[in-house]
Amino acid sequence: QVQLQESGPGLVEPSQTLSLTCSVSGGSINGDSYSWTWIRQSAGKGLEWVGRIYPSGDTKYNPSLKSRVTISPDASNNQFSLRLSSVTAADTAIYYCARDPTVMDSADWYIDIWGRGTLVSVSS
Amino acid sequence: QSVLTQPPSASGTPGQRVTISCSGSSSSIGSNYVSWYQQLPGTAPKLLIYSNNQRPSWVPDRFSGSKAGTSASLAISGLRSEDEADYYCASWDDSLNSPVFGGGTKLTVL
Repeated sequence: QVQLQESGPGLVEPSQTLSLTCSVSGGSINGDSYSWTWIRQSAGKGLEWVGRIYPSGDTKYNPSLKSRVTISPDASNNQFSLRLSSVTAADTAIYYCARDPTVMDSADWYIDIWGRGTLVSVSS
Repeated sequence: QSVLTQPPSASGTPGQRVTISCSGSSSSIGSNYVSWYQQLPGTAPKLLIYSNNQRPSWVPDRFSGSKAGTSASLAISGLRSEDEADYYCASWDDSLNSPVFGGGTKLTVL
């Protein structure tokens, strides 16, 4: 049974970079069957897709965050990470890593497995 | 403000059938499939429906999804107290070239 677990600092200062890691157990991120995704949830904006990394290693990001986001794999540790630069209070949210069974841009998008989520607050 | 529109709240009594709507546009629901997620208090969302009307193996058949034009619906029959949760719809959006979510509907079992 595949499980995902987020980890990283719970508090980040404004203008700094938010860094989170997602550890995957029970399955490999190296396969061709899944993309790996970050989604966040804030009180003000609900659920918001942040971006994903495809089996090819290519990435796609939310247009509203594109200039600040980087998602990258760490295949040796079966992990993938999120970096969000120049954070503000608006980036305060619960961040979820998730598994996406659509390996390319598809009309049939969905998330089948979610991590438990980690709360990141942006404050000085 | 979310791209997909859901009513903020819904309610029903045990045993009743409840429907939650999700409205989009021609570039979102009108052109793509819809998925639904259940978020119990204090937990992560969980997949409920994918590909408009498909249920993962762990989801009871009390839950069903449908789509017509630019709108979709989630129906819950035989309502139970444990169904009290937030429900979100989602779809790919061709204009944004990214997935989008509804604002969520809080279901209360009276």
